[in-house]
Amino acid sequence: EDKVVQSPLSLVVHEGDTVTLNCSYEVTNFRSLLWYKQEKKAPTFLFMLTSSGIEKKSGRLSSILDKKELFSILNITATQTGDSAIYLCAVEAVGGNTDKLIFGTGTRLQVFP
Amino acid sequence: DTEVTQTPKHLVMGMTNKKSLKCEQHMGHRAMYWYKQKAKKPPELMFVYSYEKLSINESVPSRFSPECPNSSLLNLHLHALQPEDSALYLCASSQEATSGNTGELFFGEGSRLTVL
Repeated sequence: EDKVVQSPLSLVVHEGDTVTLNCSYEVTNFRSLLWYKQEKKAPTFLFMLTSSGIEKKSGRLSSILDKKELFSILNITATQTGDSAIYLCAVEAVGGNTDKLIFGTGTRLQVFP
Repeated sequence: DTEVTQTPKHLVMGMTNKKSLKCEQHMGHRAMYWYKQKAKKPPELMFVYSYEKLSINESVPSRFSPECPNSSLLNLHLHALQPEDSALYLCASSQEATSGNTGELFFGEGSRLTVL
């Protein structure tokens, strides 16, 4: 059975700290791995990773994929209170004519001033 | 316009009611999705429409009935729901649902459903 596991489940830090969020997966017919940020309602897209070892960066956020060890990390440097959210990892699996996303349980990040 | 719009934002219904959730996008996306999200859980896929045809039904009970009238609209018809169906229902769209184009989903704000 396909699964995506995130750790830690919850993280509490102070502003300015650096955090690393983990995502491991076991998926048949892997195509890509995605990170989303979910605040109050809709998840918003952060990164899509398809190749191992290539870091994607957006401001203070960066992510990398290891397809051999089947995991990805999301780094956030110099955290701010606005980074407080649930971070969802999802893996795109090829299935028949239609691909689908399998979401992990999420990591709840709380950043305090 | 890069938005996915869902209505209503909140819905309270009894177990005998019939109601519908609506979703609209004008990005020209050809794949649309319904996800169900319970509190503190990740979104769970319910249905995928690709080019207005139902391509994935994740064994969802028949009291949930999806409909895709055209490429911009997606409905979820609700009938005889149970209290455990109370959740946030998220609509999403993507360029396509095949060949690696699924990944970047654009989510709506969700419809929070409470079944009494």
